[in-house]
Amino acid sequence: QSALTQPASVSGSPGQSITISCAGTSSDIGNYNLVSWYQHHPVKAPKVIIFEDTKRPSGVSDRFSGSKSDNTASLTISGLQAEDEADYYCCSYAGGGTLVFGGGTKLTVL
Amino acid sequence: EVQLLESGGGLVQPGGSLRLSCAASGFTFSTYAMFWVRLAPGRGLEWVSSLSGTGGRSWYADSVKGRFTMSRDNSKNTLYLYMNSLRAGDTAIYHCAKGQCSGGDCYRPPDFWGLGTLVTVSS
Repeated sequence: QSALTQPASVSGSPGQSITISCAGTSSDIGNYNLVSWYQHHPVKAPKVIIFEDTKRPSGVSDRFSGSKSDNTASLTISGLQAEDEADYYCCSYAGGGTLVFGGGTKLTVL
Repeated sequence: EVQLLESGGGLVQPGGSLRLSCAASGFTFSTYAMFWVRLAPGRGLEWVSSLSGTGGRSWYADSVKGRFTMSRDNSKNTLYLYMNSLRAGDTAIYHCAKGQCSGGDCYRPPDFWGLGTLVTVSS
């Protein structure tokens, strides 16, 4: 049950694009197409922005996109906006009834 | 509209016990697996436990196995987390979260979360 590996922080200016990586193993990310990404503003509930590696829930901006290669998933945010400043977490199904999360990435919009 | 409302958090001494509740509404509760996930100060989200729609199958993180028990009352649309032998490392905001797909045994990452309830373990 080792956590997925994310960078602790990333930053970008308004209008730029950033990418957050999420490294796992062949037992989790690499074995299933079941990575979700969550946006978490302080004192709010985490909100799903990507599911099943690349899919976007209705109502989520198309500035958010997900991808995956082997054991690593990635979240790209294009056209950065001030309201994108938040913590971002990846999560993968890991077999049976278990999940594994990343350590979280703090996005700062400069 | 899906709603999840956690309660039961508070200050407890090391070695103590606590029961968390999560009242669910806006979906057919009994047909969805549910999760508890915690966010500790300075640490990221950590999956704690999962429970099938019927309540018959459960999974726990190694860090809580043998100390925490997850259950549900589908007649009351309520999820529970019984926490025993609490340690300082259990201090966190505990969120309940709804499974992504119906069928009761779908354990894909959750699609909806509650605001959470704060548990502080300290003497």
